[in-house]
Amino acid sequence: EVQLLESGGGLVQPGGSLRLSCAASGLTFSTYSMSWVRQAPGQGLEWVSTISGSGGGTYYADPAKGRFSISRDNSKSTLYLQMNSLRAEDTAVYYCAKERDSRGYWDSWGQGTLVTVSS
Amino acid sequence: EIVLTQSPGTLSLSPGERATLSCRASQSVNNRYLAWYQQKPGQAPRLLIYGASSRATGIPDRFSGSGSGTDFTLTISRLEPEDFAVYYCQQYGSTPLTFGQGTKVEI
Repeated sequence: EVQLLESGGGLVQPGGSLRLSCAASGLTFSTYSMSWVRQAPGQGLEWVSTISGSGGGTYYADPAKGRFSISRDNSKSTLYLQMNSLRAEDTAVYYCAKERDSRGYWDSWGQGTLVTVSS
Repeated sequence: EIVLTQSPGTLSLSPGERATLSCRASQSVNNRYLAWYQQKPGQAPRLLIYGASSRATGIPDRFSGSGSGTDFTLTISRLEPEDFAVYYCQQYGSTPLTFGQGTKVEI
């Protein structure tokens, strides 16, 4: 059974930085593209970023470009999201998700970690 | 960017009834690359349908998806108590990957 466990969320001031982690188990991690998807309080889902299995390809939604950086350590089966220059509108639950067939949709999700950007 | 519009916003039904949820795209979705997810309060989304009509592993056959081009539908043939939730469509035919705003199915 695939398990994804996010960590690293918390309260941060506007302009600050935060690094999220997602520890994966129950899968051959390097085989799968992985993504971050977020959900603002009471709102819908928003794709943030995706990284290929090898780490050689990275993709970002416009709100994340230039501020967020996705990476992975396949030796540790861990996905990361480095978030800089955080804004109030980045406040959300951030989900780690495994892509199925590297197609751009997700068949396994973590439980999410809450990021709150506020002074 | 492909904008997905889901309707209705809220669907009020009873157990045993049929639910029909719509997802309309602002432009054609390549290769029917459309997925549906279910989300319950405090939980992560759960994949129900991919490729517009293929059920994900372990999804009951009362859930079915159809459509192509710009119009897609998720049908729940007979609602069970555990089906009351929010449903999202998502297109993966082009980047950025986008979601609809959700349809809440309530009792």
